[in-house]
Amino acid sequence: KQEVTQIPAALSVPEGENLVLNCSFTDSAIYNLQWFRQDPGKGLTSLLLIQSSQREQTSGRLNASLDKSSGRSTLYIAASQPGDSATYLCAVRPIGGTSYGKLTFGQGTILTVHP
Amino acid sequence: NAGVMQNPRHLVRRRGQEARLRCSPMKGHSHVYWYRQLPEEGLKFMVYLQKENIIDESGMPKERFSAEFPKEGPSILRIQQVVRGDSAAYFCASSLRGGDLTEAFFGQGTRLTVV
Repeated sequence: KQEVTQIPAALSVPEGENLVLNCSFTDSAIYNLQWFRQDPGKGLTSLLLIQSSQREQTSGRLNASLDKSSGRSTLYIAASQPGDSATYLCAVRPIGGTSYGKLTFGQGTILTVHP
Repeated sequence: NAGVMQNPRHLVRRRGQEARLRCSPMKGHSHVYWYRQLPEEGLKFMVYLQKENIIDESGMPKERFSAEFPKEGPSILRIQQVVRGDSAAYFCASSLRGGDLTEAFFGQGTRLTVV
């Protein structure tokens, strides 16, 4: 059974810092890994999608890496801003049959960036 | 190009009533997924549908819950005889394709409160 763990559970940093969020998964048989952002009381916004054959993806100040063999992904946020405050979720999509429809999520990292 | 639309955004039901949650996928998307986020818990997969077909319902409770995605119209998640434990945020996601190219886009969610 796939399990996804995110560390740390919560992170508070001053504006301008570079930071790293960690995600680990127990089963490396995945199609891809997706990072999301969730604001309080809102839906999920897709940030980055990394296919299993890729090592990293970049979008603006965000960079996500994937090491499938070790079951790890990191989300790097450069020059953090108060508007980055949200819960960041990591999710993996398994290989096999029709289970590719089933994203398995981590518990999330609650990020607070204070001015 | 509208995103995934869910309605209602908030739904209050008394114990024993029925709840109907609607989801219109992004334009051109034929794959729909439902997830549930219980208070203080992560997002859990419920069901994966394509037009007129249930592909994977391994996350659906065995009783009272059903889902459909008809040829015309939105996907519906139906909860019969609701109980307090059904109170949660229900999210719908859609994707253009299945398999390894699947990137899921989520709606804003329906927050169900059972009183």
